[in-house]
Amino acid sequence: GQQVMQIPQYQHVQEGEDFTTYCNSSTTLSNIQWYKQRPGGHPVFLIQLVKSGEVKKQKRLTFQFGEAKKNSSLHITATQTTDVGTYFCAGPTSGTYKYIFGTGTRLKVLA
Amino acid sequence: DAGVIQSPRHEVTEMGQEVTLRCKPISGHDYLFWYRQTMMRGLELLIYFNNNVPIDDSGMPEDRFSAKMPNASFSTLKIQPSEPRDSAVYFCASSGQENTEAFFGQGTRLTVV
Repeated sequence: GQQVMQIPQYQHVQEGEDFTTYCNSSTTLSNIQWYKQRPGGHPVFLIQLVKSGEVKKQKRLTFQFGEAKKNSSLHITATQTTDVGTYFCAGPTSGTYKYIFGTGTRLKVLA
Repeated sequence: DAGVIQSPRHEVTEMGQEVTLRCKPISGHDYLFWYRQTMMRGLELLIYFNNNVPIDDSGMPEDRFSAKMPNASFSTLKIQPSEPRDSAVYFCASSGQENTEAFFGQGTRLTVV
């Protein structure tokens, strides 16, 4: 079945450093979504990418969808302590509305 | 809108007991999802509904798990009998349209002892 992997699994950074998480799907995706889950919280939607090669920005966050629509990345510039949490990508199984979540990247920011 | 509402927030039960988790989706949302989150398996989709009809329940782990959506504003996930390996956080989420963002509830932390 479809698999969505993310690397790294964990990342510790000093506040002010940049952070990137990578998402790779075993199948081509029609779109990809990114969520953030704070410790003890629930996943919160960040963004959706649809087009091949699409790049979207939200303040310090930059999201990219690969040309082949099988991978994606999230880059955070100058991390802050408020960025702490686990970042998930999610993509739909082909022809369905069944979103498979990636394995997640847990980010810790050291002040 | 208050968002997706789940109850209870925490549930501790003994092995063999029946457990019922409840979810109220956002009003007007046509899609409802039940997810389970554990350290070992991450976020797994158990089942999802469209207009109260179960569309895909291939993620339901065993016959001990069942889910219903009797109307547009209420869904339940039942485990009978419960086992310690069912311990996890169960999330309900809803979405307004196909391929749009999902809004998650606060989750129910289930512990089976």
